[in-house]
Amino acid sequence: EVQLVESGGGLVQPGGSLRLSCAASGFTFSTYWMHWVRQAPGKGLVWVSRIQSDGSRTNYADSVKGRFTISRDNAKNTLSLQMHSLSAEDTALYYCAREGGGGGSGIDYWGQGTLVTVSS
Amino acid sequence: SYELTQAPSVSVSPGQTASITCSGDKLGQKYACWYQQRPGQSPVLVIYEDRKRPSGIPERFSGSNSGNTATLTISGTQAMDEADYYCQAWDSSTGVVFGGGTKLTVL
Repeated sequence: EVQLVESGGGLVQPGGSLRLSCAASGFTFSTYWMHWVRQAPGKGLVWVSRIQSDGSRTNYADSVKGRFTISRDNAKNTLSLQMHSLSAEDTALYYCAREGGGGGSGIDYWGQGTLVTVSS
Repeated sequence: SYELTQAPSVSVSPGQTASITCSGDKLGQKYACWYQQRPGQSPVLVIYEDRKRPSGIPERFSGSNSGNTATLTISGTQAMDEADYYCQAWDSSTGVVFGGGTKLTVL
């Protein structure tokens, strides 16, 4: 069974930093692109970032470029998101998600999310 | 940046057909996906590559994509289908793009 379990969320002050983690199991982690997607309270889904299966390529939404860094450890089946210069606009539930087999395969598995709250 | 537009809400009577649309420039030249999100739950992929259903998704869910519009169709809508639905596509400049979501009410 595919499982994605996020951790690391919490309350952080504006301008602060936070590191999210996602523990993956039930599939061959090293062969899949992985994503972070966020959802502000009561709002829609917003894509944040993705990373290629071997970690060689990354993409970011304009809103987080230069502030967030996605990374992965295929030996530990772990996905991470390092977040800096956080603002209230970054407050959201952050989902770790797996991209299916490529092309238009979509995001086929999602974690339960970890909540990040940016507030003084 | 690339944008996908969805109507905020759609209503349908039980047993009827619901159509949820997603508009974007030349969307038909990209693959579209659809996600269902029930309150308090994580999204679930219901359609990928415009019209394919993942394992476990009921046959009443179908998709199409042509021109500037992708459509999710739910035939014989059930109360359990009441949820938010999001379309999604990939744009080479913007990356992964989600529509704003459509709240489907079954009444």
